[in-house]
Formats: sequence, C-alpha cells, structure tokens
Amino acid sequence: EDKVVQSPLSLVVHEGDTVTLNCSYEVTNFRSLLWYKQEKKAPTFLFMLTSSGIEKKSGRLSSILDKKELSSILNITATQTGDSAIYLCAVQASGTYKYIFGTGTRLKVLA
Amino acid sequence: DVKVTQSSRYLVKRTGEKVFLECVQDMDHENMFWYRQDPGLGLRLIYFSYDVKMKEKGDIPEGYSVSREKKERFSLILESASTNQTSMYLCASTESRSYEQYFGPGTRLTVT
Repeated sequence: EDKVVQSPLSLVVHEGDTVTLNCSYEVTNFRSLLWYKQEKKAPTFLFMLTSSGIEKKSGRLSSILDKKELSSILNITATQTGDSAIYLCAVQASGTYKYIFGTGTRLKVLA
Repeated sequence: DVKVTQSSRYLVKRTGEKVFLECVQDMDHENMFWYRQDPGLGLRLIYFSYDVKMKEKGDIPEGYSVSREKKERFSLILESASTNQTSMYLCASTESRSYEQYFGPGTRLTVT
C-alpha cells in the first residue's frame, strides 16, 4: 500500500532557528513529491520535486529529494513567526491522478 | 491566477440531511478532487474526476457521491449526513499535465 510519512508531527522553535522537516514515502512508480504550507485555510504550493529536479530553493525555504532513501526534507532557515503553519508532503505515482498526503508537520515559531 | 472556490466556508447540518458541497475552478482544469482533512489523519482522498462525467473513487468514498456535469464544477454529495462526516472538506484542481494542485479555501462541515 502506498504511503507517506512525515516527521516530526509537531515542532516548536524560536525565531531565527533553522528547522528541517522530513517526508518519507513508499510509492510504486514514483512521479513527483510536493510540499505545501497550510495556515488557517487552503494549502498553498511550495515546491515540486521530481527525478529530474531534486533540489529547489525559494528564499529561506529549500527542499531536497533523496531518491535512494525515498525521502525528502524541507529546510527553513532564519524562521519567522509567519512560518507557523502545517507543512504537508504529497506524493504522486506515475499513471495515476491520485496524490497521497502525509499527516503533516505542525510548526510553531515563537517570537 | 488560478482560483478555486467552494460554496460555503462553514456549514452546520443535521444527521440524515442530504448535503451538497460545491467547488468551482476558473482555469479549465481537467482534474478535480475532493478531500477531507481530520486532525492526525491528514488529507484523505474521497473522489476525483479527470473529465466531465468521469469519476473515480478515492480512499474513503463510503457515504459520499460526486457529480461533474460541467468541467468547472465538481460537487460532493453526502446522501445522508452522519456525525462521523464532521470534517474540513477541501476541493482541488490540476491541469492534466501539471503536478501542482490548487486548493479551495475549504468547507468546515459540522453534522449534529
């Protein structure tokens, strides 16, 4: 059965800290891995990683796909209170329209 | 800029009622999805549609049905609402060749 596991489930840090969120997956015929940020409403897209694009960066956020370990990390440097959110990881397999989501990591950044 | 809208942000219904949740997207996307989100369980796929009048069951379709009569609109129907269907419902859409899902704002449904 395909599955996506995120860790930790929750995390509390102080402003300025660096955090690393983890996502591991078991999916037949991996196609892509996506990261989303969810505040109080709809998830918003952060990154997409594929076999041809295993590293992405945007400002203080960056993400790497480890195809050998079947996992991905999301790094946030110099965290701010506005980074407080649930971070979701989703994986899509080839030949399917479905996305399998992890349960998310709840990040709280204290001032 | 893609926009996905959902008919209600908050909804309170009684057990046994028939409930309609509507989702509309304005970017001519082929694929549309309905998820429910519960604490500790993440997003779980209820149904998805890859074309007008085409639908496929997701992981938890029991107690739900869907309708897609027009490309831009995907409806989720709870035939007889039950308290265990109290949840946040999220709609999403994608182009057929795009990996990125665009989400609506969600409908928080409470069944009493």
